[in-house]
Amino acid sequence: DVKVTQSSRYLVKRTGEKVFLECVQDMDHENMFWYRQDPGLGLRLIYFSYDVKMKEKGDIPEGYSVSREKKERFSLILESASTNQTSMYLCASSFRAGQQPQHFGDGTRLSIL
Amino acid sequence: GQQVMQIPQYQHVQEGEDFTTYCNSSTTLSNIQWYKQRPGGHPVFLIQLVKSGEVKKQKRLTFQFGEAKKNSSLHITATQTTDVGTYFCAGPGAGSYQLTFGKGTKLSVIP
Repeated sequence: DVKVTQSSRYLVKRTGEKVFLECVQDMDHENMFWYRQDPGLGLRLIYFSYDVKMKEKGDIPEGYSVSREKKERFSLILESASTNQTSMYLCASSFRAGQQPQHFGDGTRLSIL
Repeated sequence: GQQVMQIPQYQHVQEGEDFTTYCNSSTTLSNIQWYKQRPGGHPVFLIQLVKSGEVKKQKRLTFQFGEAKKNSSLHITATQTTDVGTYFCAGPGAGSYQLTFGKGTKLSVIP
């Protein structure tokens, strides 16, 4: 079974802090994704990566950056956290070819105070 | 960019009743995927449809892909409390690797 592990289930940070969310997958997937999920808005893609050191902006990249130094790890960085970034963050991974099914982690519920 | 519309947003059913959620796209889709997210959980892949007019079944769940490959539906026969959750459809996004998710249909089942 594919395992996508997110470093924290719950996280509370303060406005202005730099926040790191980590995601690790164990299936040698090329693609990795970061989404945020908010009530009524569904899943919105923040960034994705299709290879090591490669990244592409999704639909809502503002205020975020990402890092992929190793194939299995994809980090989401909130450069200066703001209250409107309070949300559920979901990491996913998939094989590269076409739009393959995505496997999600358990999510990190991030609160910015 | 690619938009995938899903209706209804919410559905409350009595246990044993049937349930259907619909997914629509303005453009032709190469494939459509369905996911289920249980309360407090994460989305879990259910199925992928690729062919025009395709119908697939998983026990009480029936998935259809429209002839024009612009719409899809998920039908649950005789709902059970274990069916509770949010069902998402997802179609190809703007690029080669992304998916665009519908906003989901949240199903509540009243025992």
